[in-house]
Amino acid sequence: DVKVTQSSRYLVKRTGEKVFLECVQDMDHENMFWYRQDPGLGLRLIYFSYDVKMKEKGDIPEGYSVSREKKERFSLILESASTNQTSMYLCASSSRDRGLTIYFGEGSWLTVV
Amino acid sequence: GDSVTQMEGPVTLSEEAFLTINCTYTATGYPSLFWYVQYPGEGLQLLLKATKADDKGSNKGFEATYRKETTSFHLEKGSVQVSDSAVYFCALTGGTSYGKLTFGQGTILTVHP
Repeated sequence: DVKVTQSSRYLVKRTGEKVFLECVQDMDHENMFWYRQDPGLGLRLIYFSYDVKMKEKGDIPEGYSVSREKKERFSLILESASTNQTSMYLCASSSRDRGLTIYFGEGSWLTVV
Repeated sequence: GDSVTQMEGPVTLSEEAFLTINCTYTATGYPSLFWYVQYPGEGLQLLLKATKADDKGSNKGFEATYRKETTSFHLEKGSVQVSDSAVYFCALTGGTSYGKLTFGQGTILTVHP
């Protein structure tokens, strides 16, 4: 089974802190994604990457950056956390060849105080 | 751009009731359509999918048919169980999108014994 692992399930950070959310997948997938989930808004795409060192902005990239130095790892960075970034963050991956099925991690609950 | 609209929630049903969650979409080209389910405290799991018009996806007693003429992909189940209580997301991915998903806002389903 494909496994997408998010290193932290629950985090509490202070306003202005730099926050790293890590995601690792074990199926050699080319594509990786970071989504944000908020009640009533569904999931919104923050950034995605279709290859190592490649990144593309999604629908809501402001306030975020990403890093993909290795194929299996995709990191989301909040340079200076703000309270409006309190949310559930979901990482996902898919294969370029079998790109129709996207696998999700269990999510990281971030609270910024 | 692409968009997905789900019926307003939450939905509350008694066990063994019939379930319909409406989903309509706007997309260019010929998208693939998905239903994802999120159980409490977990990430998203793929429930079913359909890749072309008139395809029917099915899994765990749930069904949805890709209707190009009405741009719809409604989720149905003939007899729900308490264990079906979850959040359901309709989503689509377009042909050149590297597998990026566009999600609806999600529908909370609660099933009572």
